[in-house]
Amino acid sequence: ETGVTQSPTHLIKTRGQQVTLRCSSQSGHNTVSWYQQALGQGPQFIFQYYREEENGRGNFPPRFSGLQFPNYSSELNVNALELDDSALYLCASSPGGWDRGTQETQYFGPGTRLLVL
Amino acid sequence: DAKTTQPPSMDCAEGRAANLPCNHSTISGNEYVYWYRQIHSQGPQYIIHGLKNNETNEMASLIITEDRKSSTLILPHATLRDTAVYYCIVRVAYTNAGKSTFGDGTTLTVKP
Repeated sequence: ETGVTQSPTHLIKTRGQQVTLRCSSQSGHNTVSWYQQALGQGPQFIFQYYREEENGRGNFPPRFSGLQFPNYSSELNVNALELDDSALYLCASSPGGWDRGTQETQYFGPGTRLLVL
Repeated sequence: DAKTTQPPSMDCAEGRAANLPCNHSTISGNEYVYWYRQIHSQGPQYIIHGLKNNETNEMASLIITEDRKSSTLILPHATLRDTAVYYCIVRVAYTNAGKSTFGDGTTLTVKP
């Protein structure tokens, strides 16, 4: 158990709808990253939030957006869902500090499996 | 971040050592090698990382070649619970851990 939780665990939506996924970071972590993992592939970086500001983005369109709250929990929002958005969405938290011992890894939640019909 | 190449799948007998290779021929001098694994239906789990020296922790050992162009993750006594997808990634040292680039990994199947 990493202490990172995500909700819901599973979700079914139809094409064109909007979805919000939620993540609670591990205690003491102020950085949250979101990844999309299609079936049979490795996780792909969507974006990251550090202290409530977006801090880097992967190759995903603007309909993928996010928020980070003062308690460092986070949301991933996807508008105008497409069939290809069906995937496992992973949230990962990291300490965000620049100390050598704390910058080295991130801790993943169990993911939300989204199916778009 | 440098690209990595891993075999798509490997088998290992339970109780034997599992040796998972990774090629990272374009690695830069300031890039670390990281290994994660993902057990079915769970998020990836950090295993180990290293720069140029061999590293060992309670989960595994990491052997990095002298030219740093390849590495091997060693699980010394594989168990059925080690069946998972193993990802090798490289990342610039002391940069943000949360922007990692994952490939498709190696599916390790540990057999009784």
